[in-house]
Amino acid sequence: AQSVAQPEDQVNVAEGNPLTVKCTYSVSGNPYLFWYVQYPNRGLQFLLKYITGDNLVKGSYGFEAEFNKSQTSFHLKKPSALVSDSALYFCAASWGKFQFGAGTQVVVTP
Amino acid sequence: EAGVAQSPRYKIIEKRQSVAFWCNPISGHATLYWYQQILGQGPKLLIQFQNNGVVDDSQLPKDRFSAERLKGVDSTLKIQPAKLEDSAVYLCASSSTGGPQETQYFGPGTRLLVL
Repeated sequence: AQSVAQPEDQVNVAEGNPLTVKCTYSVSGNPYLFWYVQYPNRGLQFLLKYITGDNLVKGSYGFEAEFNKSQTSFHLKKPSALVSDSALYFCAASWGKFQFGAGTQVVVTP
Repeated sequence: EAGVAQSPRYKIIEKRQSVAFWCNPISGHATLYWYQQILGQGPKLLIQFQNNGVVDDSQLPKDRFSAERLKGVDSTLKIQPAKLEDSAVYLCASSSTGGPQETQYFGPGTRLLVL
């Protein structure tokens, strides 16, 4: 079965430290990959996506993601986290169907 | 450019009652999606429209859920009768043409509580 996994329910990081949110997928073929962020009581906001080409994708608010085909991963990264980055992050894969992972809560402490 | 609009933002009903949610997509977007997001889970696609036709409703509980997009613009999602397990946030999204590489843009959601 096709699936998107976010292995960590929560990631805790101190402000100024690098942030990584993990995502792996099990989808036949070559899916397109997305990251979204959700702040409390708000809808999902698009951060970035991988379509083709360079494995390092740059997105909004200083986020980037690295696509690794051999490991079927698409990890989200930010070199220096801010308290305002505290939110719920969702990875998604699209291949004709659009499927989200379960989400990872990011907590950035001052 | 205006984003995806949804109403109401919150709704509390008793089980077995009916409820309806409304969505207006970004102007010019042909594709509209309804998702259900249960607390602690990722959004699950309920139905996808391309203009006023249904592309995918495989995960829509058709015995109680219905949706329409009669004029290919705004859409209504209805639940009748509601069950306790329908408590969730209902998200509407739209994209330009619905291709798998396209970004979906989400509205703020409607939070439903069924008592």
